[in-house]
Amino acid sequence: DTEVTQTPKHLVMGMTNKKSLKCEQHMGHRAMYWYKQKAKKPPELMFVYSYEKLSINESVPSRFSPECPNSSLLNLHLHALQPEDSALYLCASSQYGLAGDNEQFFGPGTRLTVL
Amino acid sequence: DAKTTQPNSMESNEEEPVHLPCNHSTISGTDYIHWYRQLPSQGPEYVIHGLTSNVNNRMASLAIAEDRKSSTLILHRATLRDAAVYYCILRGEYGNKLVFGAGTILRVKS
Repeated sequence: DTEVTQTPKHLVMGMTNKKSLKCEQHMGHRAMYWYKQKAKKPPELMFVYSYEKLSINESVPSRFSPECPNSSLLNLHLHALQPEDSALYLCASSQYGLAGDNEQFFGPGTRLTVL
Repeated sequence: DAKTTQPNSMESNEEEPVHLPCNHSTISGTDYIHWYRQLPSQGPEYVIHGLTSNVNNRMASLAIAEDRKSSTLILHRATLRDAAVYYCILRGEYGNKLVFGAGTILRVKS
């Protein structure tokens, strides 16, 4: 299994809602990532978990809360989002943590719309 | 993170080779050169990476200049399915993030 899966594919939420995005991989990878991609822009890193510990937080607002319950699973909890948070949220994984020669495997993303 | 410079867009004919250039004049000795591509409505996809020597895999070839200040991604026979945004990214030896630049939009004509 060489796939990163993300659910849901699409999500529409109001500014007062609480929702979660889920990402899963069964490749035995030890680093997992969340990226945000606005339309016609490159992906921007949000968070990195390496060996199930949060390694990098790119000064992301606290309304985004990541969680890594185990080495295969990564969640992004969303609360009190703003319309400008509407974007494609991408999850990725890599085998050996943050080593520079590791390739990252990306999921298809969750298209989030905040009303 | 060291910066890369790529053309905004390129066009190719189907079945012909494509050479996608990338300049990275401030590359350090331990930076890996990575290429990813993103097809429409999909997540990015790893293409190839290298450090000093040229690299080949089933998708593409990576030619790295001797001084490492530039590199070229080579698609040997472009197909319509290769139309995508191609990102050239430098990544340090350890603990460095994958920082995407604007990339090159590749259009393939039939």
